[in-house]
Amino acid sequence: GENVEQHPSTLSVQEGDSAVIKCTYSDSASNYFPWYKQELGKGPQLIIDIRSNVGEKKDQRIAVTLNKTAKHFSLHITETQPEDSAVYFCAAMKDSGGYQKVTFGTGTKLQVIP
Amino acid sequence: DAMVIQNPRYQVTQFGKPVTLSCSQTLNHNVMYWYQQKSSQAPKLLFHYYDKDFNNEADTPDNFQSRRPNTSFCFLDIRSPGLGDAAMYLCATSSIYNEQFFGPGTRLTVL
Repeated sequence: GENVEQHPSTLSVQEGDSAVIKCTYSDSASNYFPWYKQELGKGPQLIIDIRSNVGEKKDQRIAVTLNKTAKHFSLHITETQPEDSAVYFCAAMKDSGGYQKVTFGTGTKLQVIP
Repeated sequence: DAMVIQNPRYQVTQFGKPVTLSCSQTLNHNVMYWYQQKSSQAPKLLFHYYDKDFNNEADTPDNFQSRRPNTSFCFLDIRSPGLGDAAMYLCATSSIYNEQFFGPGTRLTVL
C-alpha cells in the first residue's frame, strides 16, 4: 500500500520567515495531494491541494510543489504569522472504486514565534 | 454554510458502556468517512460509506460499527469502549474522486 513520509516532525520559525514541509510517497498511482492544517481541538482543514498533472500551485502565502518523478511534494508558507501555528498533514490520494483512498503523513507541528 | 457537523463535541463514557457519535452533512456528498485520531498522530481510517455501501478497513476492531440511515447522517457506534478507544473521532465527507471535508471532531474520554 501507499506510504507517505513527512519531515520535519516539528518546525519553529520566526514570524515573517518562510516554512517548508516536505513529503514523499511511494505509490505512483497516487494522483491527488492535499495539505491539511489542524489546530488544537479541531478537525483538519484543507488549505491547498495539487493534482498530479500540475507541478506547482499557489494561493496567497501558501504554495505547493509536486515532483512526480521523484515522488515528493512540498508545502511552502511565506511571511509566516502566529496564526499559522498548527499541525500540518500532507496526504496522498488515489482513486479507488468511487472514492479517494487517502494516506496521511505523520504531521508537522509548526510553531511561529512572534 | 454547507458543512460537516459532529455531535457531541465532547463525550465521556464509562469503560464498557456503549456510545454513539453522530455526524451530519449539508454537502450532499456520496461518501462519508470515520477516522480515529490519537494524540500527535495522523487520522486513521476506520471505515467509509459510498452511498449505502459500507466499507470496513481490515484492521478496524469489531467493537466499532457504523450506520448511515440516509445521505445526510452517519453514526459511529462503539459497543464496548476500552481505555484504548479514547481519542478524537473525525467524520469526513467527499463527492466522488474529490477532496475530503472534515468535521470538528468528537473528543471521546473513557473512564
